[in-house]
Amino acid sequence: SQTIHQWPATLVQPVGSPLSLECTVEGTSNPNLYWYRQAAGRGLQLLFYSVGIGQISSEVPQNLSASRPQDRQFILSSKKLLLSDSGFYLCAWSVQAGGSEQYFGPGTRLTVT
Amino acid sequence: GENVEQHPSTLSVQEGDSAVIKCTYSDSASNYFPWYKQELGKRPQLIIDIRSNVGEKKDQRIAVTLNKTAKHFSLHITETQPEDSAVYFCAASTGGTSYGKLTFGQGTILTVHP
Repeated sequence: SQTIHQWPATLVQPVGSPLSLECTVEGTSNPNLYWYRQAAGRGLQLLFYSVGIGQISSEVPQNLSASRPQDRQFILSSKKLLLSDSGFYLCAWSVQAGGSEQYFGPGTRLTVT
Repeated sequence: GENVEQHPSTLSVQEGDSAVIKCTYSDSASNYFPWYKQELGKRPQLIIDIRSNVGEKKDQRIAVTLNKTAKHFSLHITETQPEDSAVYFCAASTGGTSYGKLTFGQGTILTVHP
């Protein structure tokens, strides 16, 4: 069966510091991968998606970037965090077929102070 | 692009009552409609989904209906229990591309009172 991992689970970082969140998927090959952000009490905002190694598409302009160095690894980064980057970051995966089910990782709760 | 509207934003029911959450979508090409349940501090969990070639789908106490003509779909929960309390999100996807992008509604906070 497939599992998705994210780390760290929680993170408190000062404004202006760098960020690196990691997501890995097990039990499947060549998945589509997604990064979402969820502000407190709000819906899910798609940040990035990837259909393969090195292929990243951005949904909204922002202070963040994403990379996919390996088939089942997805990384979310920032060079300098802003207060507005605080939120719950969720990684998700789906099989390589449009409109298929997406499954979420446990998430990383980021607080920028 | 796709736009998904979800109503109501909050819903309070007594245990044993039914709960209905409705979503409308804008892109007539959308063909996949999942529903997620998110408990406080946890990840969204896929609870049921429906594709555009089906009008209704049931799984025990939950069901989803789809009206393609009106471009809306609904989640129905019968015999609600306190453990059904959570935030529910609907979503829509065109499925016409390789990445299956989901557009989410803003969520409904469901509270089931014992």
